[in-house]
Amino acid sequence: DQQVKQNSPSLSVQEGRISILNCDYTNSMFDYFLWYKKYPAEGPTFLISISSIKDKNEDGRFTVFLNKSAKHLSLHIVPSQPGDSAVYFCAASDFISGNTPLVFGKGTRLSVIA
Amino acid sequence: NAGVMQNPRHLVRRRGQEARLRCSPMKGHSHVYWYRQLPEEGLKFMVYLQKENIIDESGMPKERFSAEFPKEGPSILRIQQVVRGDSAAYFCASSLTSDRGNSPLHFGNGTRLTVT
Repeated sequence: DQQVKQNSPSLSVQEGRISILNCDYTNSMFDYFLWYKKYPAEGPTFLISISSIKDKNEDGRFTVFLNKSAKHLSLHIVPSQPGDSAVYFCAASDFISGNTPLVFGKGTRLSVIA
Repeated sequence: NAGVMQNPRHLVRRRGQEARLRCSPMKGHSHVYWYRQLPEEGLKFMVYLQKENIIDESGMPKERFSAEFPKEGPSILRIQQVVRGDSAAYFCASSLTSDRGNSPLHFGNGTRLTVT
């Protein structure tokens, strides 16, 4: 039972272009969403988050969009840089009602080609 | 390095042995979480602890697995009588508070357990 789904295992993008990573969720109780970035042999690093009261949150080159009706969120990276090459995990939590543990997707491996 | 420290980085155990994984949270953090990542999978929640208390162990297998976070010292994840299926990367994370909105999890670099 996968509550958070990242359907693209990998994505290749040219340097300077936009990277769009997608995430779908099934649990309508989720109200807080995060993106983590992971390099090989390292732990995940927090990147950006969004609560369900917003539909967009921006931090520098990173923007997360949330479509609650579609139960879909996406991470946009623009412009993409070679150092962005990593695995990106989407995570969600039922924060307001229960502050439940984060549920992670399987990740999308982003390769930014110079 | 003030980050979450996990050791060992790599641990090899034979079937039937015990594995002990240690985690020291970030300075000032009293909330510790353990996650497991199987190959080609996402991170799966195992257990959430505060000092001397297990808050949520809904992700822990019922047998062979235990966790503690004593008043002094690191958090320990203990796996007894390991089997090949326990081979995975085990990540520890800590947070300042339980308020996820203001206190994202900070992860350590993980312990990669290999059971032979």
